[in-house]
Amino acid sequence: QKEVEQNSGPLSVPEGAIASLNCTYSDRGSQSFFWYRQYSGKSPELIMSIYSNGDKEDGRFTAQLNKASQYVSLLIRDSQPSDSATYLCAVNPRTGANNLFFGTGTRLTVIP
Amino acid sequence: GAVVSQHPSWVICKSGTSVKIECRSLDFQATTMFWYRQFPKQSLMLMATSNEGSKATYEQGVEKDKFLINHASLTLSTLTVTSAHPEDSSFYICSAIGPPGLSSYEQYFGPGTRLTVT
Repeated sequence: QKEVEQNSGPLSVPEGAIASLNCTYSDRGSQSFFWYRQYSGKSPELIMSIYSNGDKEDGRFTAQLNKASQYVSLLIRDSQPSDSATYLCAVNPRTGANNLFFGTGTRLTVIP
Repeated sequence: GAVVSQHPSWVICKSGTSVKIECRSLDFQATTMFWYRQFPKQSLMLMATSNEGSKATYEQGVEKDKFLINHASLTLSTLTVTSAHPEDSSFYICSAIGPPGLSSYEQYFGPGTRLTVT
């Protein structure tokens, strides 16, 4: 079982719609969770971090964490064509190490 | 902010030569940096963890004698690909743990170095 799993997509949504990206993780003791956006040919860019159960909102982005279900999601409201990218879910394991486990990413396409 | 730079952004070298890639934290000190490799349409693969003043920790399957990592200062880590071969052609990306005061374990990525070995 992979440490972090994401649906690889592609996920297509029309412009203005809500895009919903999902991620599950295997280590129940994980404490820190991150969403990165990666445009084609570029390096990942941190867009959200979340550490406690519930929702965290930042502009059009909302991260949701449910530790009991070992599930973290990212919602993008009012999706724009510029949001088209691969979104990587990353989890810091409980062991105290400072590395991250990355999912394989979900490719999002926002259709104008 | 937490800005990480890499140099060069791209490099083409001949098979058998060595290439050095630099990773710098520009506005903060990074005791820990990471080196990743990414092949086209694939996810990030962690190669090694670089700690200032100590030996790097390599992931399973990564040859430490081929991928030499040096983290001699709090703002600079280097990756040297020795005796490069075409199969080493890839996108190499470094990251650094953000500065104290920001949230724990956030990694900030450099822009990456695209290596092509001919």
